[in-house]
Amino acid sequence: DQQVKQNSPSLSVQEGRISILNCDYTNSMFDYFLWYKKYPAEGPTFLISISSIKDKNEDGRFTVFLNKSAKHLSLHIVPSQPGDSAVYFCAASIQGAQKLVFGQGTRLTINP
Amino acid sequence: DTGVSQDPRHKITKRGQNVTFRCDPISEHNRLYWYRQTLGQGPEFLTYFQNEAQLEKSRLLSDRFSAERPKGSFSTLEIQRTEQGDSAMYLCASSLSLPNEQFFGPGTRLTVL
Repeated sequence: DQQVKQNSPSLSVQEGRISILNCDYTNSMFDYFLWYKKYPAEGPTFLISISSIKDKNEDGRFTVFLNKSAKHLSLHIVPSQPGDSAVYFCAASIQGAQKLVFGQGTRLTINP
Repeated sequence: DTGVSQDPRHKITKRGQNVTFRCDPISEHNRLYWYRQTLGQGPEFLTYFQNEAQLEKSRLLSDRFSAERPKGSFSTLEIQRTEQGDSAMYLCASSLSLPNEQFFGPGTRLTVL
Protein backbone atom coordinates (compact mmCIF):
# COMPACT_ATOMS: atom_id res chain seq x y z
CA ASP A 1 0.00 0.00 0.00
CA GLN A 2 1.18 3.51 -0.79
CA GLN A 3 1.62 5.16 2.61
CA VAL A 4 2.87 8.44 1.15
CA LYS A 5 1.14 9.87 -1.88
CA GLN A 6 1.85 12.75 -4.19
CA ASN A 7 -1.24 12.94 -6.33
CA SER A 8 0.03 15.48 -8.83
CA PRO A 9 2.58 13.95 -11.22
CA SER A 10 3.44 17.36 -12.60
CA LEU A 11 3.07 21.06 -11.92
CA SER A 12 3.87 24.07 -14.09
CA VAL A 13 4.42 27.51 -12.53
CA GLN A 14 5.51 30.85 -13.89
CA GLU A 15 8.84 32.24 -12.72
CA GLY A 16 8.44 34.52 -9.74
CA ARG A 17 5.13 33.01 -8.62
CA ILE A 18 4.54 30.58 -5.75
CA SER A 19 4.91 26.84 -6.27
CA ILE A 20 2.86 24.61 -3.95
CA LEU A 21 3.59 20.90 -3.88
CA ASN A 22 1.32 18.61 -1.91
CA CYS A 23 1.74 15.29 -0.15
CA ASP A 24 -0.66 13.05 1.80
CA TYR A 25 0.15 10.20 4.14
CA THR A 26 -1.88 7.45 5.72
CA ASN A 27 0.29 6.15 8.57
CA SER A 28 -0.43 8.16 11.73
CA MET A 29 2.81 6.85 13.26
CA PHE A 30 4.89 9.03 10.94
CA ASP A 31 6.44 11.84 12.96
CA TYR A 32 9.16 13.27 10.74
CA PHE A 33 8.74 14.53 7.22
CA LEU A 34 11.21 15.62 4.57
CA TRP A 35 11.26 17.10 1.09
CA TYR A 36 13.88 16.18 -1.49
CA LYS A 37 14.62 17.60 -4.90
CA LYS A 38 16.01 15.47 -7.71
CA TYR A 39 17.62 16.45 -10.99
CA PRO A 40 18.03 13.85 -13.77
CA ALA A 41 20.99 11.48 -13.30
CA GLU A 42 21.58 12.71 -9.73
CA GLY A 43 20.57 11.45 -6.31
CA PRO A 44 17.88 13.24 -4.30
CA THR A 45 19.03 16.40 -2.53
CA PHE A 46 17.65 17.18 0.92
CA LEU A 47 15.68 20.45 1.02
CA ILE A 48 13.79 20.85 4.27
CA SER A 49 12.25 18.79 7.04
CA ILE A 50 9.63 19.13 9.75
CA SER A 51 8.90 17.28 12.95
CA SER A 52 5.35 16.44 13.90
CA ILE A 53 5.59 18.74 16.92
CA LYS A 54 5.62 21.70 14.56
CA ASP A 55 3.19 22.84 11.89
CA LYS A 56 5.54 25.04 9.90
CA ASN A 57 9.23 25.21 9.09
CA GLU A 58 10.86 27.83 6.92
CA ASP A 59 14.25 27.97 5.22
CA GLY A 60 14.79 30.81 2.79
CA ARG A 61 12.43 30.46 -0.15
CA PHE A 62 11.18 27.09 1.10
CA THR A 63 8.42 26.58 3.67
CA VAL A 64 6.91 23.27 4.69
CA PHE A 65 3.48 23.13 6.32
CA LEU A 66 2.18 20.12 8.22
CA ASN A 67 -1.50 19.45 8.94
CA LYS A 68 -1.53 16.40 11.18
CA SER A 69 -5.29 16.11 11.45
CA ALA A 70 -5.56 15.96 7.66
CA LYS A 71 -2.36 13.90 7.31
CA HIS A 72 -1.20 16.40 4.73
CA LEU A 73 1.95 18.37 4.12
CA SER A 74 2.88 20.92 1.53
CA LEU A 75 6.02 22.61 0.28
CA HIS A 76 5.83 26.26 -0.75
CA ILE A 77 8.54 27.78 -2.91
CA VAL A 78 8.42 31.52 -3.31
CA PRO A 79 9.48 33.11 -5.52
CA SER A 80 9.93 30.22 -7.95
CA GLN A 81 13.10 30.27 -10.05
CA PRO A 82 14.07 28.36 -13.22
CA GLY A 83 16.62 26.34 -11.23
CA ASP A 84 13.76 24.96 -9.14
CA SER A 85 12.64 22.85 -12.10
CA ALA A 86 13.13 19.26 -10.88
CA VAL A 87 11.26 16.31 -9.43
CA TYR A 88 10.24 16.82 -5.81
CA PHE A 89 9.73 13.92 -3.41
CA CYS A 90 8.15 14.03 -0.01
CA ALA A 91 9.24 11.39 2.49
CA ALA A 92 8.13 10.33 5.94
CA SER A 93 9.64 8.37 8.76
CA ILE A 94 9.04 7.20 12.28
CA GLN A 95 11.85 8.49 14.46
CA GLY A 96 12.34 5.14 16.13
CA ALA A 97 12.74 3.49 12.73
CA GLN A 98 15.19 4.64 10.13
CA LYS A 99 13.78 4.04 6.71
CA LEU A 100 12.23 6.84 4.72
CA VAL A 101 8.98 6.14 2.88
CA PHE A 102 8.78 8.22 -0.30
CA GLY A 103 5.96 9.48 -2.44
CA GLN A 104 6.00 9.00 -6.20
CA GLY A 105 7.27 12.51 -6.88
CA THR A 106 5.97 15.65 -8.59
CA ARG A 107 7.77 17.12 -11.58
CA LEU A 108 7.90 20.91 -11.18
CA THR A 109 8.53 23.05 -14.24
CA ILE A 110 9.19 26.76 -13.83
CA ASN A 111 8.37 28.70 -16.98
CA PRO A 112 10.11 32.00 -17.76
CA ASP B 1 34.06 16.55 -2.15
CA THR B 2 32.69 15.38 1.20
CA GLY B 3 29.33 14.03 0.06
CA VAL B 4 28.18 10.46 -0.44
CA SER B 5 29.91 8.77 -3.37
CA GLN B 6 28.89 5.67 -5.30
CA ASP B 7 30.77 3.51 -7.76
CA PRO B 8 30.16 2.67 -10.54
CA ARG B 9 27.69 5.25 -11.80
CA HIS B 10 26.44 2.93 -14.52
CA LYS B 11 26.54 -0.85 -14.88
CA ILE B 12 25.28 -2.92 -17.79
CA THR B 13 25.27 -6.65 -17.27
CA LYS B 14 23.78 -9.77 -18.76
CA ARG B 15 21.07 -11.71 -16.99
CA GLY B 16 22.55 -14.25 -14.61
CA GLN B 17 25.73 -12.33 -13.87
CA ASN B 18 26.70 -11.02 -10.43
CA VAL B 19 27.25 -7.32 -9.79
CA THR B 20 28.64 -5.38 -6.85
CA PHE B 21 28.17 -1.71 -6.03
CA ARG B 22 30.13 0.41 -3.57
CA CYS B 23 29.03 3.34 -1.41
CA ASP B 24 31.25 5.68 0.59
CA PRO B 25 29.18 7.68 3.09
CA ILE B 26 29.86 11.08 4.60
CA SER B 27 32.73 10.34 6.97
CA GLU B 28 31.11 11.30 10.29
CA HIS B 29 27.79 9.56 9.52
CA ASN B 30 27.25 6.31 11.40
CA ARG B 31 24.12 5.28 9.50
CA LEU B 32 24.07 4.03 5.92
CA TYR B 33 21.07 3.11 3.78
CA TRP B 34 20.42 1.47 0.43
CA TYR B 35 17.36 2.32 -1.66
CA ARG B 36 16.19 1.29 -5.11
CA GLN B 37 14.34 3.58 -7.50
CA THR B 38 12.51 2.57 -10.65
CA LEU B 39 11.12 4.87 -13.32
CA GLY B 40 8.23 7.03 -12.14
CA GLN B 41 8.52 5.93 -8.51
CA GLY B 42 10.12 7.29 -5.40
CA PRO B 43 13.08 5.52 -3.79
CA GLU B 44 12.19 2.30 -1.94
CA PHE B 45 14.08 1.24 1.16
CA LEU B 46 16.23 -1.89 0.90
CA THR B 47 18.43 -2.04 3.99
CA TYR B 48 20.11 0.00 6.71
CA PHE B 49 23.32 -0.19 8.74
CA GLN B 50 24.27 1.45 11.98
CA ASN B 51 28.05 1.33 12.04
CA GLU B 52 28.85 -2.21 10.84
CA ALA B 53 25.58 -3.81 12.00
CA GLN B 54 22.84 -4.43 9.45
CA LEU B 55 19.74 -3.61 11.46
CA GLU B 56 16.87 -3.78 9.00
CA LYS B 57 16.17 -5.42 5.65
CA SER B 58 13.16 -4.87 3.42
CA ARG B 59 11.11 -7.68 1.92
CA LEU B 60 12.37 -6.29 -1.39
CA LEU B 61 15.82 -7.63 -0.51
CA SER B 62 15.58 -11.18 -1.82
CA ASP B 63 18.13 -13.89 -1.11
CA ARG B 64 20.04 -12.82 -4.21
CA PHE B 65 20.87 -9.50 -2.58
CA SER B 66 23.50 -9.07 0.10
CA ALA B 67 24.91 -5.94 1.69
CA GLU B 68 27.90 -5.44 3.92
CA ARG B 69 29.52 -2.59 5.77
CA PRO B 70 32.84 -3.88 7.09
CA LYS B 71 34.40 -1.71 9.79
CA GLY B 72 31.44 0.66 9.65
CA SER B 73 32.83 2.70 6.77
CA PHE B 74 32.04 2.01 3.12
CA SER B 75 29.32 -0.45 2.10
CA THR B 76 28.84 -2.88 -0.76
CA LEU B 77 25.63 -4.18 -2.28
CA GLU B 78 25.90 -7.40 -4.28
CA ILE B 79 23.24 -8.84 -6.53
CA GLN B 80 23.73 -12.44 -7.56
CA ARG B 81 22.20 -14.04 -10.67
CA THR B 82 20.79 -10.73 -11.88
CA GLU B 83 17.35 -10.63 -13.47
CA GLN B 84 15.85 -8.06 -15.81
CA GLY B 85 13.59 -6.91 -12.99
CA ASP B 86 16.68 -5.81 -11.07
CA SER B 87 17.20 -2.97 -13.55
CA ALA B 88 16.89 0.22 -11.48
CA MET B 89 18.79 3.06 -9.89
CA TYR B 90 20.44 1.94 -6.66
CA LEU B 91 20.86 4.80 -4.21
CA CYS B 92 22.97 4.98 -1.09
CA ALA B 93 22.38 7.50 1.68
CA SER B 94 23.96 8.28 5.04
CA SER B 95 22.94 10.16 8.15
CA LEU B 96 23.77 10.88 11.74
CA SER B 97 21.72 9.19 14.45
CA LEU B 98 19.39 12.16 14.77
CA PRO B 99 17.83 13.93 13.02
CA ASN B 100 16.95 11.46 10.30
CA GLU B 101 18.01 13.69 7.45
CA GLN B 102 19.50 11.32 4.93
CA PHE B 103 21.97 12.55 2.34
CA PHE B 104 22.02 10.65 -0.93
CA GLY B 105 24.76 9.76 -3.35
CA PRO B 106 24.38 10.07 -7.13
CA GLY B 107 23.26 6.46 -7.51
CA THR B 108 24.32 3.48 -9.62
CA ARG B 109 22.12 2.80 -12.63
CA LEU B 110 21.92 -0.93 -13.31
CA THR B 111 20.73 -2.28 -16.64
CA VAL B 112 20.26 -6.03 -16.95
CA LEU B 113 20.05 -7.25 -20.53
